[in-house]
Amino acid sequence: DSGVTQTPKHLITATGQRVTLRCSPRSGDLSVYWYQQSLDQGLQFLIQYYNGEERAKGNILERFSAQQFPDLHSELNLSSLELGDSALYFCASSVPANTEAFFGQGTRLTVV
Amino acid sequence: DQQVKQNSPSLSVQEGRISILNCDYTNSMFDYFLWYKKYPAEGPTFLISISSIKDKNEDGRFTVFLNKSAKHLSLHIVPSQPGDSAVYFCAASPTNFGNEKLTFGTGTRLTIIP
Repeated sequence: DSGVTQTPKHLITATGQRVTLRCSPRSGDLSVYWYQQSLDQGLQFLIQYYNGEERAKGNILERFSAQQFPDLHSELNLSSLELGDSALYFCASSVPANTEAFFGQGTRLTVV
Repeated sequence: DQQVKQNSPSLSVQEGRISILNCDYTNSMFDYFLWYKKYPAEGPTFLISISSIKDKNEDGRFTVFLNKSAKHLSLHIVPSQPGDSAVYFCAASPTNFGNEKLTFGTGTRLTIIP
């Protein structure tokens, strides 16, 4: 158990819908990272938050947004969903950025 | 454009022998490199890392080698054990802040044969 909790574990939704994925980092970790892993692909970095502020952005679509709340949990919002958004979404956390990051088990999103 | 490439999708190695996993990168701005291990239904777990100022880092059975001129790194596991069977991801960061803006390879599935 990495200490990073992601909910839900599985999500099936229809095209055009909006979903929210939730991540609770390890206690004390200030940095939260979101990654997307599509079939047979590596993990694609989406976005990083540090203590509530956006710190780095990767290949995140405009239809996607995220935030980190004062209690340090983070949510990734995916809207106007398309079939190609079906993927595993991982959250990771670390104390500052340059220490080991711990990954959650992921949320498997299926868009039908 | 795959900036971090793991050209071997799978690798099988006899228990007790050396496992060598390879990774190539194209972005010369990458400054920090990491290896992650992933079991089914779990998130990746950090294994070992190396800064661009080094060419080797060792941690127990795991050693990572970095050849900056060739833009190549490799992970050696000696001796290989059945519990090492997993998918291994190579990752690179453009900063010395290890986890920032990580770019991952597509992974190599390592199977250790008892």
